[in-house]
Amino acid sequence: GAGVSQTPSNKVTEKGKYVELRCDPISGHTALYWYRQSLGQGPEFLIYFQGTGAADDSGLPNDRFFAVRPEGSVSTLKIQRTERGDSAVYLCASSPLSVGELFFGEGSRLTVL
Amino acid sequence: KNEVEQSPQNLTAQEGEFITINCSYSVGISALHWLQQHPGGGIVSLFMLSSGKKKHGRLIATINIQEKHSSLHITASHPRDSAVYICAASNTDKLIFGTGTRLQVFP
Repeated sequence: GAGVSQTPSNKVTEKGKYVELRCDPISGHTALYWYRQSLGQGPEFLIYFQGTGAADDSGLPNDRFFAVRPEGSVSTLKIQRTERGDSAVYLCASSPLSVGELFFGEGSRLTVL
Repeated sequence: KNEVEQSPQNLTAQEGEFITINCSYSVGISALHWLQQHPGGGIVSLFMLSSGKKKHGRLIATINIQEKHSSLHITASHPRDSAVYICAASNTDKLIFGTGTRLQVFP
């Protein structure tokens, strides 16, 4: 497809489980961002990749959260030992430049019971 | 105090009205983004601007760098414009988002 693709669109899991969320950016976009949006709030920054490397991971809330982008394209956000407070919509965006127009995916809605 | 603040938080309008949403920021920026988010939907980029004014259809975005202020205007508003409008400041490699303005346009 032409846009940013995120899977799964919805994920329901139990507290303590491991979750992976996938983002497939627009082909050729070197910059990739993960954001998290809680109900009624604006998105908050989690991590930014430029190519394969995490250029800025200062938004990751704790060491249960980790993200990779091994080949500079698809990225996976990994959450260990999920907690109810992790419930949110996880948004991915890509851009052809490090400071450029952003293209967002539809998001992955995570619900931790 | 948030680094990016928007006003109003909620806005209702009648179809055809001229709408203004304001954004103030306290950080240095490389660009200012206006985004649109429909209920249950993804986010769409409307504008990215670093100076002056941009226009796309019925939407106009302006920015005053000295005053650290930006506005999004919608002319001849329509019910399909109902959405959350989010201002985001681009500070090097990350976006700092405002909490959004929820707009409802009634026929």
